[in-house]
Amino acid sequence: DIQMTQSPSSLSASVGDRVTITCRASQGISNYLTWYQQKPGKVPKVLIYAASTLQSGVPSRFSGSGSGTDFTLTISSLQPEDAATYYCQNYNVAPITFGQGTRLEIK
Amino acid sequence: QVQLVESGGGVVQPGRSLRLSCVASGFTFSTYGMHWVRQAPGKGLEWVAVISYEGSSTYYSNSVTGRFTISRDNSKNTLYVQMNSLRAEDTAVYYCAKDRTDRWYGGFDYWGQGTLVTVSS
Repeated sequence: DIQMTQSPSSLSASVGDRVTITCRASQGISNYLTWYQQKPGKVPKVLIYAASTLQSGVPSRFSGSGSGTDFTLTISSLQPEDAATYYCQNYNVAPITFGQGTRLEIK
Repeated sequence: QVQLVESGGGVVQPGRSLRLSCVASGFTFSTYGMHWVRQAPGKGLEWVAVISYEGSSTYYSNSVTGRFTISRDNSKNTLYVQMNSLRAEDTAVYYCAKDRTDRWYGGFDYWGQGTLVTVSS
């Protein structure tokens, strides 16, 4: 199985900050990667798919990059509503695997 | 608009069985792969199983292989998961999710609201 490792596991940042979350795959997955945002008690929301394609309706401050084994989710200017847990997901091959999550808090 | 509505959750004793359903609407159900994903209380997301558009191909996570069976009825726009020999560690919110492709090559684009399964004596 492909292991997905996110870093950091948690972080705290201020409104307006540029925030970066990384995801590393244990083997190459091309660009078969999705980023999700999940708020407490809510369903995960797709932010980015195919590593860098912004899901319709998602604010442009969110962006994704990477290919192969190393991927990045960037929030260019952090907003209060971005407080959430973020997950990466590999779908290159079954079994599909998720990262362990990154909890983002607003200072 | 796309809607996925899960049902069938509840409290079940260890070792017993439960079947979850997910009714789909707003898209051509028979042309997309479908998944089950779960989330234990306070934990991360765990993929459970996937079924191809016509039901001929299925894959399972190691944690449920041999105990869970995913299936679909395209005439009813419904996805199922039959869960047998349930364990306490199967306690979770179970989500169904739609793939962007006819199998599992596209990632998920829609999720249901989830149904809670609690395995407890």
